[in-house]
Order: sequence, then structure tokens, then C-alpha cells
Amino acid sequence: KNQVEQSPQSLIILEGKNCTLQCNYTVSPFSNLRWYKQDTGRGPVSLTIMTFSENTKSNGRYTATLDADTKQSSLHITASQLSDSASYICVVSAAMDYGQNFVFGPGTRLSVLP
Amino acid sequence: DGGITQSPKYLFRKEGQNVTLSCEQNLNHDAMYWYRQDPGQGLRLIYYSQIVNDFQKGDIAEGYSVSREKKESFPLTVTSAQKNPTAFYLCASSGRDTPSEQYFGPGTRLTVT
Repeated sequence: KNQVEQSPQSLIILEGKNCTLQCNYTVSPFSNLRWYKQDTGRGPVSLTIMTFSENTKSNGRYTATLDADTKQSSLHITASQLSDSASYICVVSAAMDYGQNFVFGPGTRLSVLP
Repeated sequence: DGGITQSPKYLFRKEGQNVTLSCEQNLNHDAMYWYRQDPGQGLRLIYYSQIVNDFQKGDIAEGYSVSREKKESFPLTVTSAQKNPTAFYLCASSGRDTPSEQYFGPGTRLTVT
């Protein structure tokens, strides 16, 4: 069964600190992996995308890693800001005959405190 | 101003009533999707459409219906048959050139009492 798991479920850090969010998946055939940021009551916004051959991708203070062998990804946030408070969702795409099959993780809720 | 819009932002209905959620995109995307989001769970696919006048059921289609008469529009009707309709509903679209990149609308929060 295609599945995406994320940990921790929630995280509280102080402004300026770093943090790392985890994503484990069992999705086949693997096409790519995305990290989304979702502010409360808003739609998700893409942060990074990685294909099978990529193991690191950065977007400003966000750095995603991918280990396709162990089927794990992480999202590292550097020098956190209050605006980083949001849910972070890991999405793995499987390439199908009819298009893409998107498998969503439950998300990690990050709270950054002053 | 290109993008994907959903309306209304908040919607309240009485149990037993059908309600239609709007989703419009001006990105010229072929594919459109409807998801349901509940607390602590990943997004679950309700319906998707790869092309005009064609749509397919997702994982939780029971109690929902859609239409795709125009490329830009993909309305979702929540029928009285949906047993637990209160949720946050997200619409998304993706283009043919980058099928794995979904753009999401701002969402509609539906509350049924």
C-alpha cells in the first residue's frame, strides 16, 4: 500500500533555532517528492521538489534531502522565523499510466515562538 | 493575476442539504483535483479530472459529485448522502508540462450542522 509517514506530528521551537522534519514513504513506482508549506486555513504552497537522482534541494532557509535507498526525506529549516509557523506536508508522486498518483503525508505542525 | 480560486471561503449548511463548492483556474491546466482535509490526516482525493468532460473517482468519492464542462472550472457538490461532510476542501490543478506540480486553491471550510 502506498503510504507516507511524517514525524514528529508537531514541533515547537524558539525563533532563530533550526529544526528538521522527517518523511518516510512506501510509494511505488517513485516519481518525485515534494515538500509543501500550509498556513492555517490556506492551501499548500510548494517548497521543494526532488526526483530520484537528487539528494539535496534548497529554497532559501529550507533544505530538503532525499535518500531513495531508504525511502526517507527530511526538511531542514535554518534560523527559524515566526512566519515559519505552519504545517509542512510531504507528498510523494507515483507515475501511473493515467498520470500522477499523489500520496500525501499527514503533515508536521510547526510552531515558532518568540 | 493567474491562479486558482475557490469560493466561498466559509460555508455553512444544514444537514440534508446539497451544497456546491466552486473552483476556478486561469492557469490553462488540463488536470484538476478535489481533496478533503481533516485534522491529523493527509489530504484525501475525492475526484480528479484529466480533461474536459471527463472525471474519475478518487479514494473517497461516495457522497460527492463533480462536473467538468469547462477547462477552467471544476465544481464539487457535497450531497446529503455524505455522512460526515464537515471538513476543509482543497481544489488543485496541474499542467501537462509539469504534471507532478499541483497548484492549490485557498480552500473552502464547510460546516454542516
